[in-house]
Amino acid sequence: NAGVMQNPRHLVRRRGQEARLRCSPMKGHSHVYWYRQLPEEGLKFMVYLQKENIIDESGMPKERFSAEFPKEGPSILRIQQVVRGDSAAYFCASSPDRGSPLHFGNGTRLTVT
Amino acid sequence: GQNIDQPTEMTATEGAIVQINCTYQTSGFNGLFWYQQHAGEAPTFLSYNVLDGLEEKGRFSSFLSRSKGYSYLLLKELQMKDSASYLCAAKSRGSQGNLIFGKGTKLSVKP
Repeated sequence: NAGVMQNPRHLVRRRGQEARLRCSPMKGHSHVYWYRQLPEEGLKFMVYLQKENIIDESGMPKERFSAEFPKEGPSILRIQQVVRGDSAAYFCASSPDRGSPLHFGNGTRLTVT
Repeated sequence: GQNIDQPTEMTATEGAIVQINCTYQTSGFNGLFWYQQHAGEAPTFLSYNVLDGLEEKGRFSSFLSRSKGYSYLLLKELQMKDSASYLCAAKSRGSQGNLIFGKGTKLSVKP
């Protein structure tokens, strides 16, 4: 049973470009969460999605960031017009329901030059 | 507001026992999780407590006191591979399922 798959593992973008981060949840999991982790900081919640629905986006910056989890295919976290401050590790997690522990992917390390 | 506090770093000796403490303040508390994260890797689930008391799972145990807003993770018979960050995370009823994480405790196990 494959775990949570994230790609790419590393992503380098110049300021102003777009970054697309992909996450395929574990088989049977319909709940997806995105977290951001800065060096020496804790994981910060960004957004929680179920298939085709955004349940909670209270941690998402109001501009440039968006997320989706379509009926078919992976969840996508999209960052438009990236800035240096967006450099971080972005982790995706999934669960079969709200009460179960989250299972994390290996993350995408975004570097903005 | 919601707040999770845990020590930044700890050091312990191979074969010893170490206790990592976590205090939390969350509205509508609904469970406490511990995760292990090796550098550059995914956090992996260790334990979950929602009721007061001790949950034991092999070399790792986790304790919760809801009245005190306090939890600890106990690691016995430490091994070098236990060197990692240990993340305390709380869930609240109003959080729609997401977790609030502390900054993590970096544990270094020395020979």
